[in-house]
Amino acid sequence: GDQVEQSPSALSLHEGTSSALRCNFTTTTRSVQWFRQNSRGSLINLFYLASGTKENGRLKSAFDSKELYSTLHIRDAQLEDSGTYFCAAEADSAGNKLTFGIGTRVLVRP
Amino acid sequence: EAGVTQSPRYAVLQEGQAVSFWCDPISGHDTLYWYQQPRDQGPQLLVYFRDEAVIDNSQLPSDRFSAVRPKGTNSTLKIQSAKQGDTATYLCASSFGLGGAEQFFGPGTRLTVL
Repeated sequence: GDQVEQSPSALSLHEGTSSALRCNFTTTTRSVQWFRQNSRGSLINLFYLASGTKENGRLKSAFDSKELYSTLHIRDAQLEDSGTYFCAAEADSAGNKLTFGIGTRVLVRP
Repeated sequence: EAGVTQSPRYAVLQEGQAVSFWCDPISGHDTLYWYQQPRDQGPQLLVYFRDEAVIDNSQLPSDRFSAVRPKGTNSTLKIQSAKQGDTATYLCASSFGLGGAEQFFGPGTRLTVL
């Protein structure tokens, strides 16, 4: 089965609102990375977590390695937050191989 | 600090043609990865190297795909006899160290096979 289950697959937000994305993992995960892919296809690093939470501006991410999930919260969404968000998991036994979720297409509207 | 660079940015081929993609990782990064990202999917690992050694190429279609990193710096991914199913974006990434190291991605090469 898929190692990384990402939800929702698509999300529409009005400017100024907040929402959350989630990834569930089916195997023990050493670390998780979150990326945003822009319209040109570039993957922009948002967070790298081996545990706990990190915050960067209006974005906040958490990783619970025991319960096997990670979340990404977007606060006060802005138009430039639009894009496809991916989580990627490094399994304990994977030797740094990343397994990506299917992505969440986020559209922020005025 | 320069990021991961890739070339070309785009390639369009007829089935049966060959193509090579080139990647220059972040300076000092010893681990280099090649991913394939079909349209509307997440990237999928093809092969990765530590220095010049292949660590895992189990997902690389060995009959038509090959990858090298001869001096442990730049890398080339080659597709012999491309098929329409190879249409995808090919992403290169690099990191420092194996296990628990953050990966950084290049802009990708968008390949279309007609």
